[in-house]
Amino acid sequence: DTAVSQTPKYLVTQMGNDKSIKCEQNLGHDTMYWYKQDSKKFLKIMFSYNNKELIINETVPNRFSPKSPDKAHLNLHINSLELGDSAVYFCASSRSDRNYGYTFGSGTRLTVV
Amino acid sequence: AQSVTQLDSQVPVFEEAPVELRCNYSSSVSVYLFWYVQYPNQGLQLLLKYLSGSTLVESINGFEAEFNKSQTSFHLRKPSVHISDTAEYFCAVSDRNNQGGKLIFGQGTELSVKP
Repeated sequence: DTAVSQTPKYLVTQMGNDKSIKCEQNLGHDTMYWYKQDSKKFLKIMFSYNNKELIINETVPNRFSPKSPDKAHLNLHINSLELGDSAVYFCASSRSDRNYGYTFGSGTRLTVV
Repeated sequence: AQSVTQLDSQVPVFEEAPVELRCNYSSSVSVYLFWYVQYPNQGLQLLLKYLSGSTLVESINGFEAEFNKSQTSFHLRKPSVHISDTAEYFCAVSDRNNQGGKLIFGQGTELSVKP
């Protein structure tokens, strides 16, 4: 059983397109995150949701819109894709009442051409 | 606010040699500390964490890290590395008083183990 699963694993698309990445966790965690890993492998938080409520939004362009239909799912929709959006996007989850660290998904490699 | 500095971007070592990956942090509040490992084309896996108690923490695969509050460091060590330890290692911190809060990562250290 995969704890945090992301789909798709790879995504190649043209500039200007709109795309979505889906994330699901079966750990019973109440907090989910999106991180972006750039070409230099630097990880930066984008968003965090706790029980479907947005709690962190780190100066991400408004072309990026997260959606959390329930606490087990956090999807990321990106409008008008740009070359600079090419990166690996990681979903993660955690429990807000325990700090055992995050559990990460395997990532989605987005390439904008 | 917190920040993390990993002092070495790349560490090449020979198999069975000891290794130390250095991590320093800066924070105005008390923190939890973590090391994550990322194998090629995979997600991040938690390697070990310091929450409280003994300042020396160990992982199941032979790594250990020591929390040094006075030096604000959390260096990762292994006495004898294997080829399979080749990966990217990330040090991270989070605010102890905000358990649902974000993890702040260092820039990563690429450990390359050569035969």
